[in-house]
Amino acid sequence: EVQLEESGGGLVQPGRSLRLSCEVSGFTFEDYGIHWVRQVPGKGLEWVSGISWKSGNTAYADFVKGRFTISRDQAKNSLYLQMNSLKTEDTALYYCAKGSIVAITVAIRGDLFDFWGQGTMVTVSA
Amino acid sequence: DIEMTQSPSTLSASVGDRVTITCRASQTITDWLAWYQQKPGKAPKLLIYRASGLETGVPSRFSGSGSGTEFTLTISSLQPDDFATYYCQQYYTYSNTFGQGTKLEIK
Repeated sequence: EVQLEESGGGLVQPGRSLRLSCEVSGFTFEDYGIHWVRQVPGKGLEWVSGISWKSGNTAYADFVKGRFTISRDQAKNSLYLQMNSLKTEDTALYYCAKGSIVAITVAIRGDLFDFWGQGTMVTVSA
Repeated sequence: DIEMTQSPSTLSASVGDRVTITCRASQTITDWLAWYQQKPGKAPKLLIYRASGLETGVPSRFSGSGSGTEFTLTISSLQPDDFATYYCQQYYTYSNTFGQGTKLEIK
């Protein structure tokens, strides 16, 4: 059974940092991309970042480039999102999602998301 | 970035109705389009891939069509479990943009 479980969310002041984690299991994740997608409560979905699990190739949405860094630890089956210089507009529920396209290079082409975690809430406020 | 625009934003319908949601892309995305269903407090669920492919386990009353810049999601006979918010998403480019969502409400 495919499982993704996020953690690390919380309340943080503007300009500070936070690191999200996502533990993944239940599939041969070396073949896929894993992504972060966020959602402001009551609003729509926004793709944030993705990583090709095997190659480590990464991609970012323009609104987080230079501030967020995605990474993975293959030995721990874990995905991370290091979020620096946080802004109030980064407040959202952050989902970890498995990509569906095999052998994807996330910086070159798009992906769709077939399994999702339950999300971890990040609140950026003074 | 490619912009995705859904219409309508809200749709009121009754059980048994046939409903259609439209998604338009700001430029061609060929058929690299997915549809998701999201219920309150839950993660999105993939329904349709490649514009018209039905994800495993999704009821056959859901169907997708379109190519280029215009796409539709149709539910042939609404069931009580279908009242939710629906999102389209392009995966033609790595920006993976979503539509703003269509909330399907009970009339």
